[in-house]
Amino acid sequence: DTEVTQTPKHLVMGMTNKKSLKCEQHMGHRAMYWYKQKAKKPPELMFVYSYEKLSINESVPSRFSPECPNSSLLNLHLHALQPEDSALYLCASSQDRMAEMADTQYFGPGTRLTVL
Amino acid sequence: QKEVEQNSGPLSVPEGAIASLNCTYSDRGSQSFFWYRQYSGKSPELIMFIYSNGDKEDGRFTAQLNKASQYVSLLIRDSQPSDSATYLCAVSTQGGSEKLVFGKGTKLTVNP
Repeated sequence: DTEVTQTPKHLVMGMTNKKSLKCEQHMGHRAMYWYKQKAKKPPELMFVYSYEKLSINESVPSRFSPECPNSSLLNLHLHALQPEDSALYLCASSQDRMAEMADTQYFGPGTRLTVL
Repeated sequence: QKEVEQNSGPLSVPEGAIASLNCTYSDRGSQSFFWYRQYSGKSPELIMFIYSNGDKEDGRFTAQLNKASQYVSLLIRDSQPSDSATYLCAVSTQGGSEKLVFGKGTKLTVNP
């Protein structure tokens, strides 16, 4: 089973709202990722958690705040977003084998975020 | 700056033909290579990964890697209309849970 789930599927929020995106996997993976994807562009990495510790932060604005409560769950807390933050937010997970080769990353279905 | 280049297309092939998708990368230290398929409005779905020079086949898909020339390709045999999607090439220079650098994707259309 290579399933990563994300909720909600769609989210509309105002610039003063606080909301959270959720991601869950039950594959025993130890690395989880947040990506942002704008229309007709490739996914852009935002954050990586490895063994529940933040290992990569791609200089993302502080209005995006990730959280990894346990090895199966990943949250992205949103506050004071801008309309240009509207995008598809993708979660992914991988085994984190710490091997010479990169892990295969499996993507969830995404949350379509619209900021008004 | 690590770069991954793909022809944005669109690439149009008739049903039953071979579709050839190409990707070049700038970092000679790259070790891991992935092809993802993304249907419009959906998330990327892994098609194949390849680590070693040569060909790797999985059903109708063949990935080809040439590290000396710094290119990786994906061949789709007997193309079907359901193969119509954007194909993303992704490359990593490090192991484990490290950053993938994505190309901009090639949009493939298979005409019935």
